Amino acid sequence: KAGVTQTPRYLIKTRGQQVTLSCSPISGHRSVSWYQQTPGQGLQFLFEYFSETQRNKGNFPGRFSGRQFSNSRSEMNVSTLELGDSALYLCASSLVQGISNEQFFGPGTRLTVL
Amino acid sequence: AQSVTQLDSQVPVFEEAPVELRCNYSSSVSVYLFWYVQYPNQGLQLLLKYLSGSTLVKGINGFEAEFNKSQTSFHLRKPSVHISDTAEYFCAVSEVKAAGNKLTFGGGTRVLVKP
Repeated sequence: KAGVTQTPRYLIKTRGQQVTLSCSPISGHRSVSWYQQTPGQGLQFLFEYFSETQRNKGNFPGRFSGRQFSNSRSEMNVSTLELGDSALYLCASSLVQGISNEQFFGPGTRLTVL
Repeated sequence: AQSVTQLDSQVPVFEEAPVELRCNYSSSVSVYLFWYVQYPNQGLQLLLKYLSGSTLVKGINGFEAEFNKSQTSFHLRKPSVHISDTAEYFCAVSEVKAAGNKLTFGGGTRVLVKP
């Protein structure tokens, strides 16, 4: 069974641009969560989608948004990029909603903002 | 709201020696507890989790952790480490009654296993 895939793996953008990251969950998984990992702030929850609906949202500005498609694939978008948005963005999927179900993480997309 | 503190940012250890990684949490509600490992240039892999029941939890790769409710701790241990255990380890919690999946992570502990 294929794991969680994230594309692209690496991305370089400049300040003010926007970026879209993609996450394909494990087949059959309906919940997708996104996390930002930086050296300074560590791992922080961005949002979670389940059945195309955002169920949880972390404490990030409105420049960070996401969506989920009917096939459970998810995208996150960051508009008006800032230098501080440079980070590893991790996506995680789980079979059903509910924390007792294990979350499987993808390898991440490393975003560099110049 | 929950918070997680990993007391050691780095832990050097010799191969075949035991290791303990400390994790304390703060929460006004009941939580589930997790330990994840992150190898270089990879995502997170679940080592073990505490949902309920026995406070001693056994995970993959020979790791185990003990939940101590009175001390709000969930320390991770391995009796004998290998070079391949060199990685960053994250403790995480999630609210039991919350809808959905939201993990709150500690700052991580880098383990460097020396030959």
